[in-house]
Order: sequence, then C-alpha cells, then structure tokens
Amino acid sequence: DAGVIQSPRHEVTEMGQEVTLRCKPISGHNSLFWYRQTMMRGLELLIYFNNNVPIDDSGMPEDRFSAKMPNASFSTLKIQPSEPRDSAVYFCASSLGGLLYEQYFGPGTRLTVT
Amino acid sequence: TQLLEQSPQFLSIQEGENLTVYCNSSSVFSSLQWYRQEPGEGPVLLVTVVTGGEVKKLKRLTFQFGDARKDSSLHITAAQPGDTGLYLCAGRYNFNKFYFGSGTKLNVKP
Repeated sequence: DAGVIQSPRHEVTEMGQEVTLRCKPISGHNSLFWYRQTMMRGLELLIYFNNNVPIDDSGMPEDRFSAKMPNASFSTLKIQPSEPRDSAVYFCASSLGGLLYEQYFGPGTRLTVT
Repeated sequence: TQLLEQSPQFLSIQEGENLTVYCNSSSVFSSLQWYRQEPGEGPVLLVTVVTGGEVKKLKRLTFQFGDARKDSSLHITAAQPGDTGLYLCAGRYNFNKFYFGSGTKLNVKP
C-alpha cells in the first residue's frame, strides 16, 4: 500500500494568495484527519471526517480555513487568503474508524507564507 | 497552555543509557497513544493504552498508563541512536476530542 499521499510536499506562497493542500487516504480507511504542526503550538487537530462527513471542525483556526472530502479517496484543505502565521507543516492522516484506531500519517506539506 | 504536558522537552543521552519521558494532564483520558516522529515525516504510532494501570512492552520500550488515566510514561532501556526522534503522547477525551502533547525531542549519541 502506498500509504497516505499528500501534495504538494512544499508550498511557498505570498500573503493573500489561496493555498490548497491535497490528501489521498489509505484505501479502505473511512476516517481522515487534518493536522497542523508548528514549533510554538505543536501538533493540532484541525478537522476530521468520518465516511466523508465532517465530524469535528472545532480545531479550524478561522473562516479562512476550509476542508472538503468529496469522496472516500480525496480531501482538500484550503486557506484563503493565506497569512504568514499560517506557515506550518500540515499533515493528513487516515484510520479505519475514528480516533480509537491507529492513525496513519502522510509525509506532510510544508507551507511557507511570505 | 497545553492540555497535555510532556517532560522533558529535550533529552540528549549516550547510547546504552536508560531514559523516561512523561506525559501529564489534569484531565482523564479515555485512551492514550504514544507516537514517534522523525524529521521530515509524519508521526508513527507506537502503542495505545486504554486501561488505568496498564503496562505495555515493545522490545526495549515500556509504556505505562497511570491508575487514574491522567498520566503516562515511556521508558526506554539501553537507548540506541535509532531511537532518536520526537516522541509525542496523544490523549483522547470524550468521543471525538483528541490532543497531542508538546513532544520530547530525544537525541541518542553513539
């Protein structure tokens, strides 16, 4: 199995631009998670989906952030407009069934907003 | 303020030494996980503990869950350079609340 796939691996953009991060979960997994990791705040859960439905988005920092999961094999995290404080590594993870099961993390997308 | 406090934040030791990493909270977890993360990669799950007082062993790693399910520890015996990485604890609260600790960065020198 290819594992969780994220793209791009690195993204550098200017403040105000729209950024879209992409994730393909492991086939057969029905839960998908988006995390953000920074030195200051560590690893934070932003949102998670179960069977393509958002279950908890209380970790999404503000309205500039949105996430979608149109089907079981694809999800996006969009930031519009981006700000320098959004610079972080964004991870996607998937699991067989929610938070009790093992989460498999992707390699992450390193986002730099200048 | 972190819901889960890990200590120490940084640890640099020689190969062969033993070490313990702690994860503490004032809240009760329904389950707790330990992950290891290497630079440029995502975290990888090491263990999940669910029952208060539970002890799990994974080769040279021993994980303990506190009786009250508010704290946990990870003990590594005879550390090796391959153990180097960021160790993260993660606690699950209620049905769908999940928080990671701040992490312990371990460096094992050969």
